[in-house]
Amino acid sequence: EDQVTQSPEALRLQEGESSSLNCSYTVSGLRGLFWYRQDPGKGPEFLFTLYSAGEEKEKERLKATLTKKESFLHITAPKPEDSATYLCAGNSGYALNFGKGTSLLVTP
Amino acid sequence: EPEVTQTPSHQVTQMGQEVILRCVPISNHLYFYWYRQILGQKVEFLVSFYNNEISEKSEIFDDQFSVERPDGSNFTLKIRSTKLEDSAMYFCATRQGPNQPQHFGDGTRLSIL
Repeated sequence: EDQVTQSPEALRLQEGESSSLNCSYTVSGLRGLFWYRQDPGKGPEFLFTLYSAGEEKEKERLKATLTKKESFLHITAPKPEDSATYLCAGNSGYALNFGKGTSLLVTP
Repeated sequence: EPEVTQTPSHQVTQMGQEVILRCVPISNHLYFYWYRQILGQKVEFLVSFYNNEISEKSEIFDDQFSVERPDGSNFTLKIRSTKLEDSAMYFCATRQGPNQPQHFGDGTRLSIL
């Protein structure tokens, strides 16, 4: 059975304190590993797609990486506006299979 | 930037009543999806729709659920006889092509009383 597991469930950082979020997956026939950001009361907002091990993508303070079993979302020098829930999802066909997310709080 | 629009933002319905949730996809998108998120839980796939037919559905999407694209623009999710456990946030997502990401609307909060 396909599974996507994210850790930690919650993370509190000081502004400027870099860290990484983990997503481990067992998805047969993976056709992409996706990262989304979700703000309270809003829909998931697309961040990155990764297709093959070794691939990396960057956007502002965020960098996503992919290995054969895991993906990491690295946050460099975060700001309070980076506070949100970050969702990881695997795609093996039409559907996205989401993890439970990591709730990130960045304090000034 | 084009976005997926969902209406209503909040729907309150008595148990046993029918409810229709509406979504306006991004204009050149061809693949349409419904997901739901029960409070405090993960986002769960319900159904995907392409070329005017269902392409995949989950175990959650039973005979009480249906989808259609009645007028070539709106994409709707109908729940025929709502249950208390249908209370959730329902998200519509659309994508342009098979190797493109899914873009989500801001959801409809469905509350069943």
